[in-house]
Amino acid sequence: RKEVEQDPGPFNVPEGATVAFNCTYSNSASQSFFWYRQDCRKEPKLLMSVYSSGNEDGRFTAQLNRASQYISLLIRDSKLSDSATYLCVVNRGTGKLIFGQGTTLQVKP
Amino acid sequence: EPEVTQTPSHQVTQMGQEVILRCVPISNHLYFYWYRQILGQKVEFLVSFYNNEISEKSEIFDDQFSVERPDGSNFTLKIRSTKLEDSAMYFCASTGTSNHEQYFGPGTRLTVT
Repeated sequence: RKEVEQDPGPFNVPEGATVAFNCTYSNSASQSFFWYRQDCRKEPKLLMSVYSSGNEDGRFTAQLNRASQYISLLIRDSKLSDSATYLCVVNRGTGKLIFGQGTTLQVKP
Repeated sequence: EPEVTQTPSHQVTQMGQEVILRCVPISNHLYFYWYRQILGQKVEFLVSFYNNEISEKSEIFDDQFSVERPDGSNFTLKIRSTKLEDSAMYFCASTGTSNHEQYFGPGTRLTVT
């Protein structure tokens, strides 16, 4: 079983749509959680950290459910510039980041 | 805004040759990492480095790989004898504390022919 699992998509949505991505992780000892965004052939860029209390940054909302070992990302009012691959990332506390395969989002006009 | 930088952006080398990939982490960061991403695959951890020594390494990071912080700013990854399967994007990352967000450099695309 993969340590971090994501639906690869692609998710094709119109501009202005709300889209949600989910991720599950298998290691209950995982300590910190992140969403990164990756554009084609570029480096992963930190989108946001994810906390059990939930956190919001503009149009983006992330949520962590430790009991279910489940992480989510909600994007509201999608923009063309949101088109990218979204990476669910877990840190066991040692610093080593474990990446999911990524979920591809394509926002269409 | 401070950022991680990497050189070269693209390196082409022949199988069996040695390559050195260079990174300049964010200046006040203490933890440094190398990751790689083979085309079409996920990002994979290679090695972490703290206090001038390796903290953790993956099974990918075998005897052909080494890391070094030769001075106060650079962090290098050396592959002694490259193989075709080493062709990938290599990303350097750094952070201030081990459990916090890591910031990635733009990567070096390594092509082994």
